[in-house]
Amino acid sequence: SQTIHQWPATLVQPVGSPLSLECTVEGTSNPNLYWYRQAAGRGLQLLFYSVGIGQISSEVPQNLSASRPQDRQFILSSKKLLLSDSGFYLCAWREVGQASYNEQFFGPGTRLTVL
Amino acid sequence: GDSVTQMEGPVTLSEEAFLTINCTYTATGYPSLFWYVQYPGEGLQLLLKATKADDKGSNKGFEATYRKETTSFHLEKGSVQVSDSAVYFCALSDRHNFNKFYFGSGTKLNVKP
Repeated sequence: SQTIHQWPATLVQPVGSPLSLECTVEGTSNPNLYWYRQAAGRGLQLLFYSVGIGQISSEVPQNLSASRPQDRQFILSSKKLLLSDSGFYLCAWREVGQASYNEQFFGPGTRLTVL
Repeated sequence: GDSVTQMEGPVTLSEEAFLTINCTYTATGYPSLFWYVQYPGEGLQLLLKATKADDKGSNKGFEATYRKETTSFHLEKGSVQVSDSAVYFCALSDRHNFNKFYFGSGTKLNVKP
C-alpha cells in the first residue's frame, strides 16, 4: 500500500531564515505531487505541483520554491522566511492514470511557525 | 473559473443527531467531487467521492450524491458520533486539468455527548 511521509512535523523558525520541508511517497511510481498551505482556520491553497522529476508548476508567486530531485521526493524551500509563511503545509500525491477519480492523498502535514 | 462553496461553520450537534453539510460547486463540464475530513493536527483524509451525475459516494455512514441539476454535493450522516468532530472539506477536480483541485473553505463540526 502507498504511504506518504512529511518532515519535520513541526518547525519554529525566525524571520529571514531558510526553510526546507520534505515529502516522500512510498509504494507508487511516477506520482503527481503537490504542496498546499493551510492558514489557520482557512482552506487549502495550492502552491506547487509536479508531474515528474525536475518538473515544477507554480500556482502562487511568492518567496517559496519547490524541487523534485527524485521520483517520489518533493521538497519545499525558501531562502528567507516571512511572517506570512506561517501555516500548515500539506504534501499530497495522485496516481497518474486513474483518471476516473483522480483523488489526491495527503500527508500528515508540517506545522510551520515563523517568529 | 471552477469553485466550491461550503456552508460556514462551526456546526454543533448532539450525538446521534442528523448531519447535513451543504456544498455547491461551479465548474465547466463534469468535475469529480470529493469530501475530505481533517482531524485536529492531521492531514486530510479522503472520506468519499463521486465522478458523475447521480453517483452516490458513501463511507463510514457518510453519504453524498452528485446532483448535476443543482450543482451540489451535500454531505449527510444519519447519526453523528463525538468521534466525527473534525473539519470537513468539499472539493472538485477539474476534468481538463487533473492537477487542479478546488477546495471549499471547510466546515468545522463539533459533536457533543
